[in-house]
Amino acid sequence: RKEVEQDPGPFNVPEGATVAFNCTYSNSASQSFFWYRQDCRKEPKLLMSVYSSGNEDGRFTAQLNRASQYISLLIRDSKLSDSATYLCVVNLNNAGNNRKLIWGLGTSLAVNP
Amino acid sequence: GAVVSQHPSRVICKSGTSVKIECRSLDFQATTMFWYRQFPKQSLMLMATSNEGSKATYEQGVEKDKFLINHASLTLSTLTVTSAHPEDSSFYICSAAPGQGRYGYTFGSGTRLTVV
Repeated sequence: RKEVEQDPGPFNVPEGATVAFNCTYSNSASQSFFWYRQDCRKEPKLLMSVYSSGNEDGRFTAQLNRASQYISLLIRDSKLSDSATYLCVVNLNNAGNNRKLIWGLGTSLAVNP
Repeated sequence: GAVVSQHPSRVICKSGTSVKIECRSLDFQATTMFWYRQFPKQSLMLMATSNEGSKATYEQGVEKDKFLINHASLTLSTLTVTSAHPEDSSFYICSAAPGQGRYGYTFGSGTRLTVV
């Protein structure tokens, strides 16, 4: 089983649609969680952290279920500019207290006019 | 805040030569920086963790003698790809974060290396 698993997509949705991405992680020692966005041939950019209580930032809502080791990202009212690959990232605490990011393969989203 | 600068953004080199990539944290000190590599349509793969003032920690399968890392100051880490070959062509990205990444990591803009 992969350490961080995502549905690669692609998700093709019309403008204005609501779309949800899911992510599961295998290591219960994972400490913090993030969603990143990566545009083609560019570096990843932090979209939002994911907190246990769930958190919202504008049209984006992230949720974490530690018991199920599951993270989600919901995008409401999709815009053309939301087209990108969305990466689920888990921060694992290694032995020696070194943190290590584990990356999912990403979910590709295409928002169509 | 939390800006990471990476240079160069693109480099083409001949097979057998060495290429140095710089990663700088501009507005914070980074005792740890991370070097990633990404091949087309694949996820980011951590190559090594760069530690200021000490040796880098390499991931399994990454040759430390081929990918030399130097982290001589709290704001600069360098990755040197030695004796580059076409299969080393990839997108190399560094990242760092204040506060040990508790609030996320910032990435440099990446270096696209093409070895011909």
